[in-house]
Amino acid sequence: QKEVEQNSGPLSVPEGAIASLNCTYSDRGSQSFFWYRQYSGKSPELIMFIYSNGDKEDGRFTAQLNKASQYVSLLIRDSQPSDSATYLCAVIGNSGNTPLVFGKGTRLSVIA
Amino acid sequence: DTAVSQTPKYLVTQMGNDKSIKCEQNLGHDTMYWYKQDSKKFLKIMFSYNNKELIINETVPNRFSPKSPDKAHLNLHINSLELGDSAVYFCASSLGLAGTYNEQFFGPGTRLTVL
Repeated sequence: QKEVEQNSGPLSVPEGAIASLNCTYSDRGSQSFFWYRQYSGKSPELIMFIYSNGDKEDGRFTAQLNKASQYVSLLIRDSQPSDSATYLCAVIGNSGNTPLVFGKGTRLSVIA
Repeated sequence: DTAVSQTPKYLVTQMGNDKSIKCEQNLGHDTMYWYKQDSKKFLKIMFSYNNKELIINETVPNRFSPKSPDKAHLNLHINSLELGDSAVYFCASSLGLAGTYNEQFFGPGTRLTVL
């Protein structure tokens, strides 16, 4: 059973701080890693993806991947109240018939 | 233009009824999916189709039957609805199945309530 684990939170950070969201996965063959943001009552929205070990930056977001440790994280710099949402980590293998497996999400609350 | 659309947005029905949810994508993607998100917000794959062919069926009861008339549409028919079917159902699409092609775009969701 392939699993993706996230701390459910809530993670509370003050406005302007760095929010750090973590995710571990069980399938060592996983190849692609995604972070989705889901506002309450809305659909998941892709914000970052990463395939290679190391860091990938996009604006205020940085995804970090360590395949040896089976760990992927998302850093949000200069957190804003509008970043308050549930962040879903999703992982997939390289085979076409394996599903994208989601974690249960971490709820982030940015306090003004 | 809506990339992935679903109808209806809300569906309230009695136990035992049969209902359908429709999904359409205008992104030109080859792959479409159905997900169920339960009350604890856990998002789980139900089905995936690639070029109208069923690829993934994740131990979903056979009361659920997906149908893909063409690459742009994936509908979900549910027979004999049960209380436990109450959830939000999301349709999604991606360019392809694996690796870099699996960036999925989600529809707005259909909130199904079974009474």
